[in-house]
Amino acid sequence: GAGVSQSPRYKVAKRGQDVALRCDPISGHVSLFWYQQALGQGPEFLTYFQNEAQLDKSGLPSDRFFAERPEGSVSTLKIQRTQQEDSAVYLCASSFVRATEAFFGQGTRLTVV
Amino acid sequence: GENVEQHPSTLSVQEGDSAVIKCTYSDSASNYFPWYKQELGKRPQLIIDIRSNVGEKKDQRIAVTLNKTAKHFSLHITETQPEDSAVYFCAAMGNTDKLIFGTGTRLQVFP
Repeated sequence: GAGVSQSPRYKVAKRGQDVALRCDPISGHVSLFWYQQALGQGPEFLTYFQNEAQLDKSGLPSDRFFAERPEGSVSTLKIQRTQQEDSAVYLCASSFVRATEAFFGQGTRLTVV
Repeated sequence: GENVEQHPSTLSVQEGDSAVIKCTYSDSASNYFPWYKQELGKRPQLIIDIRSNVGEKKDQRIAVTLNKTAKHFSLHITETQPEDSAVYFCAAMGNTDKLIFGTGTRLQVFP
């Protein structure tokens, strides 16, 4: 596709359930970012990949959050034992190289009930 | 780590007036400063960016200025139109490659 694609667009999870959010970046993009965006707030940094290497995961809120990009393209953000405070939009962005335009996906809206 | 502050949080202007949004950053090593526009329910989209080797960049009605000494940068929108209404985010990237966003400014342009 032409842009960054995220799936699912919407996810409702029961508290305690595990979820997996997928990001398909633009082909050839080296950098991949995950952000969490609460309602009315700016995107909060979660983690960053350069190809398959996770260079920074300092924004992951707890050890329940895990991200991977095993082949340097598709990335998955996994949240174990979801809590209500995990409810947010999770945005993925990719860029060709560092310090160039980051293109965002449409996000996955996660609601934990 | 990098911290980006953005002001104001809301801004209302009359159509045709100018709008200015200001951001400050903490990491003196930051060298890339993009601005994103996010319409309700949509993804953030880049509208303009600037690198640390220039002080100003303009694209039609939009301009960004950067003051590295003071560690602040601003977005200027001239001749505002109702379709400029959205939330605008500034961001900064340093040597760690982490793109850190401000908290956003909700701009409303009244006809």
